[in-house]
Amino acid sequence: DQQVKQNSPSLSVQEGRISILNCDYTNSMFDYFLWYKKYPAEGPTFLISISSIKDKNEDGRFTVFLNKSAKHLSLHIVPSQPGDSAVYFCAAGRTGNQFYFGTGTSLTVIP
Amino acid sequence: DSGVTQTPKHLITATGQRVTLRCSPRSGDLSVYWYQQSLDQGLQFLIQYYNGEERAKGNILERFSAQQFPDLHSELNLSSLELGDSALYFCASAFREMNTEAFFGQGTRLTVV
Repeated sequence: DQQVKQNSPSLSVQEGRISILNCDYTNSMFDYFLWYKKYPAEGPTFLISISSIKDKNEDGRFTVFLNKSAKHLSLHIVPSQPGDSAVYFCAAGRTGNQFYFGTGTSLTVIP
Repeated sequence: DSGVTQTPKHLITATGQRVTLRCSPRSGDLSVYWYQQSLDQGLQFLIQYYNGEERAKGNILERFSAQQFPDLHSELNLSSLELGDSALYFCASAFREMNTEAFFGQGTRLTVV
């Protein structure tokens, strides 16, 4: 049973435009959420996180939005750069428990 | 470089065999996590250790076991291997026990033939 879902396996965006990656979760008890970026032949790298007490967290070009009522989070990358091309995983969990990862969205930023 | 070291990088073994994957966490990190990533799958959480003690368990098969040693390195033991165990196995480490980002190693690619 997939508790965290990334329904778009891939996304292509023009350089300079906004990339929006989406993630849905099923467990309303989840209270901490993270995004990781993964390049080929490397392990995932932490990007940004958000706790359930917030609905937005921003770090440079990256912003994560959390909609608890919809059990949905999204990652916005503005402006997108070719170096952002990677697979993005979202993860969600409940304090004291494991994190559940989505299956990833492959982002391609076209120069 | 995340500071997390996993060895070996690649492993090919036959069905029925047993292998040990090793993970050295970042200096100072007390938590170690193990994940499995099969083809086209997300990262499946296997198990977490914090300062030598098991803290959380995911969908880890009974044929799999892990431990964290006093020097904080961790080993994941996979036995009676099946073809379906072929996957990327990632180790991650973190300083805190929970609600924290983790730093991932490059993974060990296990192929069971």
